[in-house]
Amino acid sequence: AQKITQTQPGMFVQEKEAVTLDCTYDTSDPSYGLFWYKQPSSGEMIFLIYQGSYDQQNATEGRYSLNFQKARKSANLVISASQLGDSAMYFCAMREVPRGGNTGKLIFGQGTTLQVKP
Amino acid sequence: GAVVSQHPSWVICKSGTSVKIECRSLDFQATTMFWYRQFPKQSLMLMATSNEGSKATYEQGVEKDKFLINHASLTLSTLTVTSAHPEDSSFYICSASRGGTDTQYFGPGTRLTVL
Repeated sequence: AQKITQTQPGMFVQEKEAVTLDCTYDTSDPSYGLFWYKQPSSGEMIFLIYQGSYDQQNATEGRYSLNFQKARKSANLVISASQLGDSAMYFCAMREVPRGGNTGKLIFGQGTTLQVKP
Repeated sequence: GAVVSQHPSWVICKSGTSVKIECRSLDFQATTMFWYRQFPKQSLMLMATSNEGSKATYEQGVEKDKFLINHASLTLSTLTVTSAHPEDSSFYICSASRGGTDTQYFGPGTRLTVL
């Protein structure tokens, strides 16, 4: 069975510093997708970054980068130059292989609450 | 593009009543919609997957007679919580996808409080 684990319930970071949020996963499928979402207190799920299992390079999107280590089954999110607006809950998710043309399900980790200190 | 809306954004109802939550894809056709439930400070739990024109597939432990899902068109799915009880109070989030390897686009969520 597929599983996503986020072991950091809460993290603090000083404004303008970088922070790494951990995520490990387990799957027997060779093809999968890994996502990171941000959920501020308003509740909306904001897509941050995506990494495909066959992607050769680590994904980057602005201040967000994904440290993908396939052999270790980890997909850590790195946020550079933290801002006060980055304070939120962050979820790592893995998408199952799509079947029959339907979109695969997302399996979410437990989440990490990040607080950025001024 | 790829905007998903939910209505209402919040609702308070009395125990025993039914509540309907709508999920709409505003600028794309969604062949698949997902419904999630989230308790405070917890992760999203998938309740069911619905494909347009067919019956929803419920996750283990989710009562399909209590949480009725209808995906009658490519832009609208509804979740009806029947005979709601206080323990059904939660944050309900939908997502929509064009299918295949397309990503899921999330709605803003609906906060349900059952008194």
